[in-house]
Amino acid sequence: EVQLLQSGAEVKKPGATVRISCQLSGYTFIDCYIHWIRQAPGKGLEWMGLVDPEDGETIYAEKFQGRVSVTADTSTDTGYLELSGLRSEDTAVYYCATDLNMVRGLSPAQDFYYGMDVWGQGTSVIVS
Amino acid sequence: AIQLTQSPSSLSASVGDRVTITCRASQAISSALAWYQHKPGQAPQLLIYDASTLETGVPSRFSGSGSGTEFTLTISSLQPDDFATYYCQQFNGYPLTFGGGTKVEIK
Repeated sequence: EVQLLQSGAEVKKPGATVRISCQLSGYTFIDCYIHWIRQAPGKGLEWMGLVDPEDGETIYAEKFQGRVSVTADTSTDTGYLELSGLRSEDTAVYYCATDLNMVRGLSPAQDFYYGMDVWGQGTSVIVS
Repeated sequence: AIQLTQSPSSLSASVGDRVTITCRASQAISSALAWYQHKPGQAPQLLIYDASTLETGVPSRFSGSGSGTEFTLTISSLQPDDFATYYCQQFNGYPLTFGGGTKVEIK
């Protein structure tokens, strides 16, 4: 069974940095992208960015540019999300997710997805 | 960025009802759309991909249709386990985006 296991809940002060991990098991790590998605209280799902563990390439939502870093460690099959300059609006549950069936294109614009079929359990981050 | 607008944002329905949720894209996205079910305290679950293909293991009462800019998720006969929030997501280009969600509540 393919699983994504995330690190535990965090409580941070405004201005601090949070780092969340997401370990993949049951699948070849470099064969899929690791995406990060968050849900603030009472709000919808928000895509933040992704990392391609094969080459470390990242793509971020413009909203988070400059504050977010997504990385992958192929020695431990673990993806990481680091969000800096935390503010109260960053209070949310953060999920990692992947599409096991996606097809890499020659360029990001040609990536073909089916849908996020494996999700981590979520990590609560409270900024207060 | 491609914007997805879901309607309604919430609805009340009874067990056995037919429920339809709409997702409209700000530009044509072919069939690069997925639907998810999200329950409190759980991770979202993929229901439909490629606009109309049922994910393995998902009950056949769920169906998806549409292409271009207008898409629908239909639950043919609402069951107690279906009360949740539903999201669409587009994969036509980065950034990947979600619709605002539709909360399905018990009438």
